Amino acid sequence: EAQVTQNPRYLITVTGKKLTVTCSQNMNHEYMSWYRQDPGLGLRQIYYSMNVEVTDKGDVPEGYKVSRKEKRNFPLILESPSPNQTSLYFCASRGGLATEAFFGQGTRLTVV
Amino acid sequence: GENVEQHPSTLSVQEGDSAVIKCTYSDSASNYFPWYKQELGKGPQLIIDIRSNVGEKKDQRIAVTLNKTAKHFSLHITETQPEDSAVYFCAASKRRVDNQGGKLIFGQGTELSVKP
Repeated sequence: EAQVTQNPRYLITVTGKKLTVTCSQNMNHEYMSWYRQDPGLGLRQIYYSMNVEVTDKGDVPEGYKVSRKEKRNFPLILESPSPNQTSLYFCASRGGLATEAFFGQGTRLTVV
Repeated sequence: GENVEQHPSTLSVQEGDSAVIKCTYSDSASNYFPWYKQELGKGPQLIIDIRSNVGEKKDQRIAVTLNKTAKHFSLHITETQPEDSAVYFCAASKRRVDNQGGKLIFGQGTELSVKP
């Protein structure tokens, strides 16, 4: 089954404690992205990747890092989380620019 | 950069009525316009998309129209049903040039409520 898998689904952490949210896709897609969803602001892109070792900033990259060492994985790293990073995070992948994006189930992150 | 504005933010209709959601985009190079539906507790899922060489596309009760001159596109849902209740997002994307492009930019979302 074609899918994008994010882990964990829920995470509560403390300010400053480094964390990683994993994302994996099994569709051999080139393009992968991370979004955060906040009420009234929709889906805002954090980072995206056009292929292995090719990444670029989205609209809200501050406080986040990503890596794309393998085609299937695109982890999101928060080196020093802060409360303003409390949000719902989605990973997405797509095979081409004008094709469907497949989303993971989301990660609800709370930073206290 | 690209900006996508979506209206309204909330929409309530009676079952059987039509619903229309509108989006405008800023980058005239955008050439792909998908619509996503997000049900509670789930990730967004594609419901329909349109490319810039087409003015309208229909799929059963759902249609999308595109006006490239005005840089806006709309989602039309006819004969709405309670299961259409969800958050809907429009988005825009453009061709990749070298290592630029590849972004899929979303609107702010519309929460549609269909009352039985």
